Amino acid sequence: DGGITQSPKYLFRKEGQNVTLSCEQNLNHDAMYWYRQDPGQGLRLIYYSQIVNDFQKGDIAEGYSVSREKKESFPLTVTSAQKNPTAFYLCASSRHVIYGYTFGSGTRLTVV
Amino acid sequence: GESVGLHLPTLSVQEGDNSIINCAYSNSASDYFIWYKQESGKGPQFIIDIRSNMDKRQGQRVTVLLNKTVKHLSLQIAATQPGDSAVYFCAENMEGNMLTFGGGTRLMVKP
Repeated sequence: DGGITQSPKYLFRKEGQNVTLSCEQNLNHDAMYWYRQDPGQGLRLIYYSQIVNDFQKGDIAEGYSVSREKKESFPLTVTSAQKNPTAFYLCASSRHVIYGYTFGSGTRLTVV
Repeated sequence: GESVGLHLPTLSVQEGDNSIINCAYSNSASDYFIWYKQESGKGPQFIIDIRSNMDKRQGQRVTVLLNKTVKHLSLQIAATQPGDSAVYFCAENMEGNMLTFGGGTRLMVKP
């Protein structure tokens, strides 16, 4: 079955550490997206990529970095520059917006 | 500290009643709209979509209504069940290959 997989489901980060969240899709989608969701709030766009080897900043890119070396993969690194990283992170992919987005099941990141 | 922002509005309905969840969208040029359902601790799931050349679209137990005059979108759920309890997001295609998401509404179904 095709789908989008995020790992790990839960991640704990110490102060000052960088951590990388994985997002892999086998849907052959060109576009991929990263969102952050805080408790009781909506989705905020961190980064997106419409094609391999290209990505754009979203509304809250500071303290985050991404790469898109393969069509299937769009990892997100939460750097030590992100001062408030505790949140639920969602990855999505899309063949084209007219088909909507397919979301992964999310990674919950907690700073300890 | 926590992010400052609005907490989700909540709609509480009795099991078996109909639910109506509303969304005001921002761009009169938006031509495609989607409703997503997000259960606790999971990613959003597609429910139903509608294009701007339509006023109404029906699915199984769900109906989406689009009023372009006042830029309003609604999701109607018939005979609401406990499994419908979730957060519901509307999304619009404003430009390019991107969706813009609304803030979400929490639906609570009372048995």
